[in-house]
Amino acid sequence: LAKTTQPISMDSYEGQEVNITCSHNNIATNDYITWYQQFPSQGPRFIIQGYKTKVTNEVASLFIPADRKSSTLSLPRVSLSDTAVYYCLVGDNSQGNLIFGKGTKLSVKP
Amino acid sequence: DAGVTQSPTHLIKTRGQHVTLRCSPISGHKSVSWYQQVLGQGPQFIFQYYEKEERGRGNFPDRFSARQFPNYSSELNVNALLLGDSALYLCASSRTGGNSPLHFGNGTRLTVT
Repeated sequence: LAKTTQPISMDSYEGQEVNITCSHNNIATNDYITWYQQFPSQGPRFIIQGYKTKVTNEVASLFIPADRKSSTLSLPRVSLSDTAVYYCLVGDNSQGNLIFGKGTKLSVKP
Repeated sequence: DAGVTQSPTHLIKTRGQHVTLRCSPISGHKSVSWYQQVLGQGPQFIFQYYEKEERGRGNFPDRFSARQFPNYSSELNVNALLLGDSALYLCASSRTGGNSPLHFGNGTRLTVT
């Protein structure tokens, strides 16, 4: 099971771009990389998923280098409402073995 | 479409009691997973069910059990409650398991006194 390592916390200011990097050195061939956002007392919310190179949707971009041993979630122009915990997951959910780490607590300041 | 719904939202139980938590997945989703989240930690995997069959089990004692019904809804049962079982219990559904993203409900907050 691929283990992930993320920074415990990050601070940013409104309007800035935030990049959160996740390390996953033992990622397996079938594993996808998925990021979730969680607010207090709510369930995690799916942000973005990718396998390799770059994926972009309406809220974020995900950059994955060729060796896939790390990935970077990019949040453009963050706002106060982006203050949350962000989790990087690596795995194949076919056997329910997705492991959440402690996540990265992002604090956006005015 | 309605998201994943869980009931009840909050629950207070006494040590030694039994609890049943319920989850309704998003329409069309056939896989349901259960997670336990203790304050300050990431969610920990308990069970996954797909097409009513248990597909995966996390490192939890036998006091924890679950099942999935023909309509794909699910129940999580916990017997002989301990103080340490106090947590947010999250249910997530996905279309097929596999690489389909998980969609979480807002959980059931269980307090054991």
